[in-house]
Formats: sequence, C-alpha cells, structure tokens
Amino acid sequence: GAGVSQTPSNKVTEKGKYVELRCDPISGHTALYWYRQSLGQGPEFLIYFQGTGAADDSGLPNDRFFAVRPEGSVSTLKIQRTERGDSAVYLCASSITVQETQYFGPGTRLLVL
Amino acid sequence: SQQGEEDPQALSIQEGENATMNCSYKTSINNLQWYRQNSGRGLVHLILIRSNEREKHSGRLRVTLDTSKKSSSLLITASRAADTASYFCATDAGAGTALIFGKGTTLSVSS
Repeated sequence: GAGVSQTPSNKVTEKGKYVELRCDPISGHTALYWYRQSLGQGPEFLIYFQGTGAADDSGLPNDRFFAVRPEGSVSTLKIQRTERGDSAVYLCASSITVQETQYFGPGTRLLVL
Repeated sequence: SQQGEEDPQALSIQEGENATMNCSYKTSINNLQWYRQNSGRGLVHLILIRSNEREKHSGRLRVTLDTSKKSSSLLITASRAADTASYFCATDAGAGTALIFGKGTTLSVSS
C-alpha cells in the first residue's frame, strides 16, 4: 500500500515568510508525528497527534510553529515568520497507534534564505 | 535533547564483512527501534525490539537489547555496498509516544 507522503519535497523561501508543509499518513494510522532534522543530526521530535488532537507539542521550538490535523488524517505544519535557522528537513511519520512502528515519509527540505 | 548515542560515529568496511553498531540510552524505555537513512531523506524502519525482548533477527540484521546496561546493538552480517547509509537508534520517551533519536552511525561499505 501507499506509504507516508509529504509535499512539497523541497521548499525555498525568504526570511520572514510563511510556509505550510503537508503530510499524508498511511491510511488507517491514527498517530502522526512531525520531526525536524538538521544536517549531521538525528531527527528531533516536534509534535504528535492522536486522531485530531495534538497529544504532545512539547518539541515545537516556539510559537511560530503550529500544526493541525483537522480530520484525523492529513496534517499541516505551519511556520510563521521563517528564520534562517528553520532550514532543515521536516519529516513526518505515522503509526497505526502509539507504541507501534513509526513509518516515515521522504521529508520536506526547507531552505530559508 | 537526544537520548540515544550511537557508536561509532562512522564505520568503513569491505563488502562481505560484518558491521556492528551500538546504541546507548539514558532513561527507561518501552521499545527501541533501528532505522536506516539514505542521502539525508526518509528513514526506513529496520527492527523494533520491545523492552521485554533481548534479541531479534530480520534477514541479515540482528538486534540485541540489554536494558540493565541501557544499550542495544545492530549487527549487519555479510554487508553489501547497498548497506551504505546512516543508521539511527530511536527510543520512546517512556510514555510510548515520540521517538528520541541519536546522531547516527554512518556506515560505508566498499566493494
């Protein structure tokens, strides 16, 4: 079956702009996770959803970052007033439920100029 | 913050040799997972081992878990050039939710 998909695959924006990153999880997966990975580092947790609600957003670096999952499927990560330090690969993962294997999408490479 | 620490940071071997990577973590866990990543993009899940398990196998992969030492190892036998990638261990935070990753081991297999 189809895996986790993310769009766009690459995004170049200017400092101060607003961006939205989209994640389509595997059908039927109730848990959805966002991670961010900087060069040479492992992924770092941002936020996770169980169904429509954000169960844990403790990894969001500041209030410029926000994520939604209004119908319990597709999720959008929103970044306001982007900064150069936001440049990274943003990874989305889903699992059938919590404590089960997380399957990752290919990521969105964000570059803030 | 990152809980898992992989060792070594980089490993270079010849095709056919075995590769062993180690992971240490700090807090109690529900499970530990190993992932592979090519070219800095999506992660491919390799194996999940639960805290009550000590060893798991999948094809050429063997994972061990020692919860008393808070460590895990990933063994790739008879390595191939296609195994060249970064390998990460990831643990849950104890609440069974988000994964905490280490910095990874970069494996290079030359033919």
